[in-house]
Amino acid sequence: QKEVEQNSGPLSVPEGAIASLNCTYSDRGSQSFFWYRQYSGKSPELIMFIYSNGDKEDGRFTAQLNKASQYVSLLIRDSQPSDSATYLCAVNRNSGNTPLVFGKGTRLSVIA
Amino acid sequence: EPEVTQTPSHQVTQMGQEVILRCVPISNHLYFYWYRQILGQKVEFLVSFYNNEISEKSEIFDDQFSVERPDGSNFTLKIRSTKLEDSAMYFCASSAASNQPQHFGDGTRLSIL
Repeated sequence: QKEVEQNSGPLSVPEGAIASLNCTYSDRGSQSFFWYRQYSGKSPELIMFIYSNGDKEDGRFTAQLNKASQYVSLLIRDSQPSDSATYLCAVNRNSGNTPLVFGKGTRLSVIA
Repeated sequence: EPEVTQTPSHQVTQMGQEVILRCVPISNHLYFYWYRQILGQKVEFLVSFYNNEISEKSEIFDDQFSVERPDGSNFTLKIRSTKLEDSAMYFCASSAASNQPQHFGDGTRLSIL
């Protein structure tokens, strides 16, 4: 059973702080890693993706991947109230038309 | 920016009726997916589709479900005889290649009475 685990939260951070979201996965064959943001009642919106070990930065977002530890994280710098949402970690095997396996998500609340 | 379009946004149906959910994937994408999310639960994979055939399907995707690409733009999910437990948000997604990110539509909220 392929599992993706996330702390459900809520994670509360003050405006301007760094929010750190974590995710572990069970399938060692996973090759692609994605972070989606989901506002209540809305669809998942792609924020970041990472394929290789290390860090990948895009604006205020940094994704970090450690395949040996089966761990992927998302850092949000200078958090804003508009960042308040549920953040979904998703992984797939990257071979053929493989599906994404999602975690339950971490609810982030940025307090103004 | 191109986006995945889903219709209707909300569908209310009596139990036992057939429903068809429609999706228009991003135009140059080749890989198509359906997922669902029951309220308060995780996003779950239903089926993937490539080159006019199903690539993979989950245990949820039983004989009551079918998918079709009836023309060059639409991708549909049919549920033949709906059950109460089919009530969920249904998301269509597409990607340009198998290792590329999947982009999601706004979803169809299916409510079975």
